[in-house]
Amino acid sequence: NAGVTQTPKFQVLKTGQSMTLQCAQDMNHNSMYWYRQDPGMGLRLIYYSASEGTTDKGEVPNGYNVSRLNKREFSLRLESAAPSQTSVYFCASSEAGIGREQYFGPGTRLTVT
Amino acid sequence: GQQLNQSPQSMFIQEGEDVSMNCTSSSIFNTWLWYKQEPGEGPVLLIALYKAGELTSNGRLTAQFGITRKDSFLNISASIPSDVGIYFCAGRLANEKLTFGTGTRLTIIP
Repeated sequence: NAGVTQTPKFQVLKTGQSMTLQCAQDMNHNSMYWYRQDPGMGLRLIYYSASEGTTDKGEVPNGYNVSRLNKREFSLRLESAAPSQTSVYFCASSEAGIGREQYFGPGTRLTVT
Repeated sequence: GQQLNQSPQSMFIQEGEDVSMNCTSSSIFNTWLWYKQEPGEGPVLLIALYKAGELTSNGRLTAQFGITRKDSFLNISASIPSDVGIYFCAGRLANEKLTFGTGTRLTIIP
């Protein structure tokens, strides 16, 4: 099992460009999450999906949209990238229940110039 | 949003020494998790704690769920070079999202 996979691993965007970060898990987990990690800030929740067909805002949702494509896949979209969105983005998944033990992907390092 | 206070923020220790770090919150939790993150990787779950006062070990790692439910502790015995990384705590109240700490960066001096 690969666990949680994310693509791409690195990305550079210009201000105003759009892109979608992809995440997939093969653990049959119901809940999936997107976090961003900035120096000194720890992990901050952007959006989460408690189960297939549902999505909810986390702590820092502005500037992002998400799609729970199916039980395996949860994508994060930046419609118009801004330098403030330069960060490392992590996808995670857990069994049923949004606060259960979460398993993380390897991350996407995004730079917006 | 709320974040947990972790201390120390960073540690520089010699190989073979024991390590202690802790996490405190103004809110009570009913689950505490400890993660380790290595450079360029995502956090990896080390230990999960579910009851106040619980003491759980995973190899050289031992974590405790504080009896006040507002804190948790992680100890690493006889540190080795591969222990290097950032250690995060995370807390959860029933049916709520995880709240993460800001991390403790561990550096081991040969």
